[in-house]
Amino acid sequence: DAGVIQSPRHEVTEMGQEVTLRCKPISGHNSLFWYRQTMMRGLELLIYFNNNVPIDDSGMPEDRFSAKMPNASFSTLKIQPSEPRDSAVYFCASSFSGDWNTGELFFGEGSRLTVL
Amino acid sequence: RKEVEQDPGPFNVPEGATVAFNCTYSNSASQSFFWYRQDCRKEPKLLMSVYSSGNEDGRFTAQLNRASQYISLLIRDSKLSDSATYLCVVGGLGGATNKLIFGTGTLLAVQP
Repeated sequence: DAGVIQSPRHEVTEMGQEVTLRCKPISGHNSLFWYRQTMMRGLELLIYFNNNVPIDDSGMPEDRFSAKMPNASFSTLKIQPSEPRDSAVYFCASSFSGDWNTGELFFGEGSRLTVL
Repeated sequence: RKEVEQDPGPFNVPEGATVAFNCTYSNSASQSFFWYRQDCRKEPKLLMSVYSSGNEDGRFTAQLNRASQYISLLIRDSKLSDSATYLCVVGGLGGATNKLIFGTGTLLAVQP
């Protein structure tokens, strides 16, 4: 069975460039989460969607970050303009909200971003 | 203060040892508690849920103390394959049932 699919797996870009990360959740899941992981801060929740609607974006660092979920099978996280401090691994995760209390989020393999 | 705090380690233990990890959380309204495991350069995966009554899954035992806002994970007879980062996770903060907050993780290295 296909898990959460993220692309690109790795991206190296220069400061000031636009970065778009993509995620395809597991079919049938109606909750989608974007996390960012760094050594210093660990896994931070950036934003999550239920039924394609953004529920909580309080973790989005600043206006340079935006996320969309145009349909149940696709989401993007965009950084414009990118800065070196945005370098991190960005994880997308999905779950079925009816079973949220099982605690099981299914994570993609992550997108490792390096901003020079 | 961080919402979920863990000792980062590393914990270096020999095979067969028993090791315990602790975690504290700041919001007493938290409703759900979990341990996730993350292998090096991989994604996190659910290890087990944590219940007030305590629960066991093979060599792994998890406990929750709501009064002290404290969660623990005990690994008995540790194996080389247990080497990973263990993430303490708290959910249900602020009534947002889907919102899971992760600790920064505790690194375990099991030595032969």
